[in-house]
Amino acid sequence: EPEVTQTPSHQVTQMGQEVILRCVPISNHLYFYWYRQILGQKVEFLVSFYNNEISEKSEIFDDQFSVERPDGSNFTLKIRSTKLEDSAMYFCASSGSGTTRNTEAFFGQGTRLTVV
Amino acid sequence: AQSVTQPDIHITVSEGASLELRCNYSYGATPYLFWYVQSPGQGLQLLLKYFSGDTLVQGIKGFEAEFKRSQSSFNLRKPSVHWSDAAEYFCAVGATGGSYIPTFGRGTSLIVHP
Repeated sequence: EPEVTQTPSHQVTQMGQEVILRCVPISNHLYFYWYRQILGQKVEFLVSFYNNEISEKSEIFDDQFSVERPDGSNFTLKIRSTKLEDSAMYFCASSGSGTTRNTEAFFGQGTRLTVV
Repeated sequence: AQSVTQPDIHITVSEGASLELRCNYSYGATPYLFWYVQSPGQGLQLLLKYFSGDTLVQGIKGFEAEFKRSQSSFNLRKPSVHWSDAAEYFCAVGATGGSYIPTFGRGTSLIVHP
């Protein structure tokens, strides 16, 4: 069964460092998402991406964040200068194939980011 | 914008007992509705979804949910809980017009006693 793959599963970084979280969405999906879940809190939408550009973003997704689909298979989330409050589980998701985007989103296993 | 309320932060049941997890949504039309499960240290797995049609939907692992438009609810049920069902359960709503971004509730943690 196709699945969304995220690497690494866990990343520890020092405050102020840049991190790149990687995702391989399901191959025929066209819509890609990043969500985050701070420990003990709800899953929050960060950004959606379609046709090589951001389609929507939340207020959380400020200038410190960027997304990219560099090679047609990977989908990355970059945090330029990490802060302690960026510590969270980050989920990648993908959905929509062919002419419809209105299908369920399939989520990866997540990357746990710890900023120290 | 759509929103989801899961009023129960924790639910404790005994193994073999029935389960109902509550979910209420806010959206101006009939939304897309989902339940996801997150086991400890794991990602989000889709249990079931409602797009249209029959308001009682069946999912994996013996779960079902019923869409009630009049109550803006999409409660998750299981007739007999197994210890392996202990996990975090998230209700999510997706808008049917314009953008389709699943919005999640805060989750309900299910504890199963032997």
